[in-house]
Amino acid sequence: NAGVTQTPKFRVLKTGQSMTLLCAQDMNHEYMYWYRQDPGMGLRLIHYSVGEGTTAKGEVPDGYNVSRLKKQNFLLGLESAAPSQTSVYFCASSSQGVEQYFGPGTRLTVT
Amino acid sequence: GEDVEQSLFLSVREGDSSVINCTYTDSSSTYLYWYKQEPGAGLQLLTYIFSNMDMKQDQRLTVLLNKKDKHLSLRIADTQTGDSAIYFCAESIISSGSARQLTFGSGTQLTVLP
Repeated sequence: NAGVTQTPKFRVLKTGQSMTLLCAQDMNHEYMYWYRQDPGMGLRLIHYSVGEGTTAKGEVPDGYNVSRLKKQNFLLGLESAAPSQTSVYFCASSSQGVEQYFGPGTRLTVT
Repeated sequence: GEDVEQSLFLSVREGDSSVINCTYTDSSSTYLYWYKQEPGAGLQLLTYIFSNMDMKQDQRLTVLLNKKDKHLSLRIADTQTGDSAIYFCAESIISSGSARQLTFGSGTQLTVLP
C-alpha cells in the first residue's frame, strides 16, 4: 500500500513549456486535490475532484488544468509554464472528505 | 473569507511541552486540523477536531478548541528532537459534493533544543 504517490519529484521547465504532474492513490479514495506551497505560506488549493470524471476549481486555478479519467489518478497540467508557477505541488486524497492524505510533493522550477 | 493565522517560530527545550497556537476566521468551519511537515516531505495528518468539541487528546498530543474566540491550539507533551518540524493549522469548509476545501495557515516552525 503506497498511499499517495507523485511523479516526477523534481522538474525544471523553461517559460512557455508544458508539462503534466501525475498523482496516484491506491486507497480507493473518491476525493483528490492539488495544492501548491510557496515559501513562507500555507498550501493553497488549485483544483479538486469529487470522483472519476469530475473536477472543480479551488482557490488558485488560473494557468492549470486537471483531469480525473481514472479514480486512482489525478493529473495536473500546465499548458504554458510561467515563473510564477515555480512552487512545490502536493496532491492529496480523501475517502469521505474529512481526512486528507498527502503525497511527497513535486518541486517545480520555471526559468 | 477564510484566514488562518499562526506564529512563525517556536523554540522549546527537549522534554518540555510545546504549545502551538492558531486563529481562524470562518465560523462555518466544521473540522480543524493539525498537520506536520518535515524537511523535504509532504504533510502528515497529526490530528483533527470536530467543531462541536472543546478538546481532543491523542497520546502526547492535546488539541484545544475555543470556538467563541476562533482559537485552536496544539500541545505536544514531552517534546522530542524528532518533533522538530513545521506545523500547519487548517480549517475546512464543505464545498461541492462534500469535498472539503482546506485553508492552511503559514505554518509554525518548531525547533526542539537539546
